[in-house]
Amino acid sequence: DTGVSQDPRHKITKRGQNVTFRCDPISEHNRLYWYRQTLGQGPEFLTYFQNEAQLEKSRLLSDRFSAERPKGSFSTLEIQRTEQGDSAMYLCASSRTAYNEQFFGPGTRLTVL
Amino acid sequence: KQEVTQIPAALSVPEGENLVLNCSFTDSAIYNLQWFRQDPGKGLTSLLLIQSSQREQTSGRLNASLDKSSGRSTLYIAASQPGDSATYLCAVRPDSGYALNFGKGTSLLVTP
Repeated sequence: DTGVSQDPRHKITKRGQNVTFRCDPISEHNRLYWYRQTLGQGPEFLTYFQNEAQLEKSRLLSDRFSAERPKGSFSTLEIQRTEQGDSAMYLCASSRTAYNEQFFGPGTRLTVL
Repeated sequence: KQEVTQIPAALSVPEGENLVLNCSFTDSAIYNLQWFRQDPGKGLTSLLLIQSSQREQTSGRLNASLDKSSGRSTLYIAASQPGDSATYLCAVRPDSGYALNFGKGTSLLVTP
């Protein structure tokens, strides 16, 4: 059990550029979640996958955001036309079932200049 | 909409003290509650998970209680150590939906 991993750990980009983050969940965890956290706040839910199916999306996930989990293993989160307000820590979590403990990765820190 | 509140926002205690962190939530229709620790600039580490049917959970020096009907949970830390310094987050999972709803956290500093 190597834990949830995320890549990259840090990303600096210019406004208007597209960025993509990757999350590898704990093996055998078929539930995967994305959250966003800004300074001084708790994480906010973005989206949830059961295997490859995206079952829930927050209203925070605007049209510029898209998430995929093509083979039910790793997931990607893409932000198009980044804005300064997208600067945040993007956290990925996984769980064995929808009712079990969620385990979080180290996060990807995004800075939009 | 579920609102999760954590009090106090910040706490400083000398090493060795026992302390209590508080979490309240507005909607009692929860499936479970999870306590996390977050070190600066890092991800979240799960500490304890309490199912809605449980009253408390213990792990080492940590004890978490849940009073679902009153919408409250507490995290008790015994014999605090400087290594306990971190932000502690409370999160509730509703009966419906899959997302965790988080509080803003309590920033704990344990001084030697």
